[in-house]
Amino acid sequence: GENVEQHPSTLSVQEGDSAVIKCTYSDSASNYFPWYKQELGKGPQLIIDIRSNVGEKKDQRIAVTLNKTAKHFSLHITETQPEDSAVYFCAASINQAGTALIFGKGTTLSVSS
Amino acid sequence: DSGVTQTPKHLITATGQRVTLRCSPRSGDLSVYWYQQSLDQGLQFLIQYYNGEERAKGNILERFSAQQFPDLHSELNLSSLELGDSALYFCASSVGGRADNEQFFGPGTRLTVL
Repeated sequence: GENVEQHPSTLSVQEGDSAVIKCTYSDSASNYFPWYKQELGKGPQLIIDIRSNVGEKKDQRIAVTLNKTAKHFSLHITETQPEDSAVYFCAASINQAGTALIFGKGTTLSVSS
Repeated sequence: DSGVTQTPKHLITATGQRVTLRCSPRSGDLSVYWYQQSLDQGLQFLIQYYNGEERAKGNILERFSAQQFPDLHSELNLSSLELGDSALYFCASSVGGRADNEQFFGPGTRLTVL
């Protein structure tokens, strides 16, 4: 079946460093790639998304890049802060069902000050 | 606060029982999605409803069913519960019915089956 692989599963950085999380997807028809941040005890919150007609998108300290040929996309967080500590999920739209998202297994990011 | 509400926050029940989880989407959203989050499986898509009709189905067990009512709130029914059904259940909503519509997640219901 369709699949999204996410790496690494855990990531520890020092405050001010950059963090990169990578995902690969299997459905070549996927055209929407959101990233969610989940804090303890809360539901996932959309932080940035990218569509297949765009190669890169930035929003302040967060950026996402997409390589459709290689079927992978990445989340980049610069100047990390302790409040960036959370679990991050990537997702890709799957079109065989028409309207669903398939999620990666998540990356636990820890930012120490 | 995403605007999506879920009740109850916590539910503790026994094996073999039946429970109902409730979700109210954001005002104006027509789609409701249900997800199951467990430690080993991550976030798994269960089912989607759009304006009262089933739109997409994921890895939803036959013991589970859902519906969306005319006021657009949705309920997820879990029956013949097993220990392995213990998980966080999230509801999300979006304006449209396409996978590339932004989904807003509720705070979740934590189900514990003893």
